[in-house]
Amino acid sequence: IVMTQSPLSLPVTPGEPASISCRSSQSLLHSNGYNFLSWYLQKPGQSPQLLIYLGSNRASGVPDRFSGSGSGTDFTLKISRVVAEDVGVYYCMQVLQIPFTFGPGTKVDIK
Amino acid sequence: QVQLLQSGPGLVKPSQTLSLTCAISGDSVSDNDVSWDWIRQSPSRGLEWLGRTYYRSRWFYDYAESVRNRMTISPDTSRNNLLLELISVTPEDTALYYCVRGYSHGMDVWGQGTAVTVSS
Repeated sequence: IVMTQSPLSLPVTPGEPASISCRSSQSLLHSNGYNFLSWYLQKPGQSPQLLIYLGSNRASGVPDRFSGSGSGTDFTLKISRVVAEDVGVYYCMQVLQIPFTFGPGTKVDIK
Repeated sequence: QVQLLQSGPGLVKPSQTLSLTCAISGDSVSDNDVSWDWIRQSPSRGLEWLGRTYYRSRWFYDYAESVRNRMTISPDTSRNNLLLELISVTPEDTALYYCVRGYSHGMDVWGQGTAVTVSS
């Protein structure tokens, strides 16, 4: 399954919202009703960290300004109000079919 | 609190074998609810999932086609470790390798990463 993201670069203003799109070449909707799509943030110099799993579930400790939505092949990660610590590269990943695959990443930085 | 501490050589010669160890604390490699995955990252290939093992009354293994014939993932239950072995390495295997826990269809715990360079 091929994952694409847009935009690949996103300059943001603190306090403003931000949105990243992720698309898959096949539907990620499992027969159990869940979308097998997760989102990650890799901050500079760090390992990636899980933000969202099963399309829309926030991982433990993730601020509620992050939200995931979408179904099938089209997904969106939204940040309601960007703060400085949100800079880094955001990746979507499908975990429906082996091999699991990642999007190319969206680099978010402060304007 | 689950932690994954990786160890292994940073430099491997072409055609030799890469061996990495991931020491698991705060969870068991035999946990029935999780998987233990290896993912690597390089400028040319981005984030690439390599394979996983998980225990559901017996051990299961999945591998990416790109490394299937060269990679072995092994649970070491006596030491609560996860092992990766990649044979016949080439410069294309140069990457940052991560040990990762899979849970509820998300990769929720990542190791610190091991930078591996394949060069003579």
